[in-house]
Order: sequence, then C-alpha cells, then structure tokens
Amino acid sequence: SQQGEEDPQALSIQEGENATMNCSYKTSINNLQWYRQNSGRGLVHLILIRSNEREKHSGRLRVTLDTSKKSSSLLITASRAADTASYFCATAGANSKLTFGKGITLSVRP
Amino acid sequence: SAVISQKPSRDICQRGTSLTIQCQVDSQVTMMFWYRQQPGQSLTLIATANQGSEATYESGFVIDKFPISRPNLTFSTLTVSNMSPEDSSIYLCSGGHTKDEQFFGPGTRLTVL
Repeated sequence: SQQGEEDPQALSIQEGENATMNCSYKTSINNLQWYRQNSGRGLVHLILIRSNEREKHSGRLRVTLDTSKKSSSLLITASRAADTASYFCATAGANSKLTFGKGITLSVRP
Repeated sequence: SAVISQKPSRDICQRGTSLTIQCQVDSQVTMMFWYRQQPGQSLTLIATANQGSEATYESGFVIDKFPISRPNLTFSTLTVSNMSPEDSSIYLCSGGHTKDEQFFGPGTRLTVL
C-alpha cells in the first residue's frame, strides 16, 4: 500500500516563484526522502531528512518534517524551467525499504 | 555516492517472451532493489536482491515471474518472464552503501506488444 501521499498532484508556476509540495504518510519512519524524476527517466535523490530532524536545507531546497502530523514539505525557491519534473516523497522504515508516494508533477513556465 | 547503469535502456518485446535487465553499480553496495513504475504511476518495490541468496519478494510479486540474481555486490539482474502487455513499465534498480540512501539507475523502459 502507498505510504506517502503528495499534494498537490500537479503544480504549475512561473519561473522565479517558489514551489511547495507536501507529503503525508501513515506509519512511523526512520527517514523521509524526496526524489526528482525527469520525463520517465531514473530518479535523482534530492534530500533526506531523518525522523529526529525538523528542517533541512540543500541549495534551493528546503524540506521540513513534522512527525506528529506525519507530514513533510519540500520547498523549491526561485524555481527554474529546469526544475520541471515529477517529485516523489519516499519513506524508509526500519527495514530500509522505500515506499513511494504517487508523485507531484511540477511545471515551471519560463 | 554510487553510479548505477542499466541495460537495456529500453526494449519492445513480444507477448510470451522474457527479458533480462542488467544493473551494474560502480562500487560495492550493501543493498540492491528492483522497482516497477507503471505508466503514470509511482514506484512499487518488486524485491530486494540479496547477494548470494534468493531475492526477497514483496507482496504480489513472485520468483517465477521476476527471477532475480545477484552474484556479487556490484551486479544484479531482473528477468521479466512470459511477458504480457500488463508488464509494460519502467523497471528501475537501486543500490546503496547505507540503508538510508539509495541511488537509482536510469531505468529500463519495457513495452510488451
């Protein structure tokens, strides 16, 4: 069964704007990860946040984790056309297996 | 990090045939996994590839349909057997040195006619 559920399912923004994507999950986790996938290609690992962390930054990415609400958000600041892709959250339990959400399609208009 | 390559990158196959997908990692990794991504869908874990022993399959996936080999810490294969159009998907392998972080291959896009 799906662990992570992202919203919105699709997001369209103008270049330069910020994009916020949310992920909710159901069971306890060791960590939560965000991936990007360009047009049916392989996944690129963006950022990992552990269950004892609340916020993490990497370049233009900011991820937050609220374990009490079982939710995470990914913020991409100053978006670029090259950020157009599908974004997936994935939760990892004690067994290291990743369970992926359905994904969010982000379109950044130049 | 780990760089993962897959072969073939894509294939078009006839119903009833089998296809073996290869996954090569540029360094030894503790864990390797195989995923399926059906058109427009998310990734679903097929199995954990165990070095030197039988793979561990997730619910809904069986060894007869998806035999997996992992002869060493850098290489694994997934075979999609007796294919039907419903098997048309992207198949991705992943690997990692630690249990926290996995690196993904570029995927193999399979179309079954």
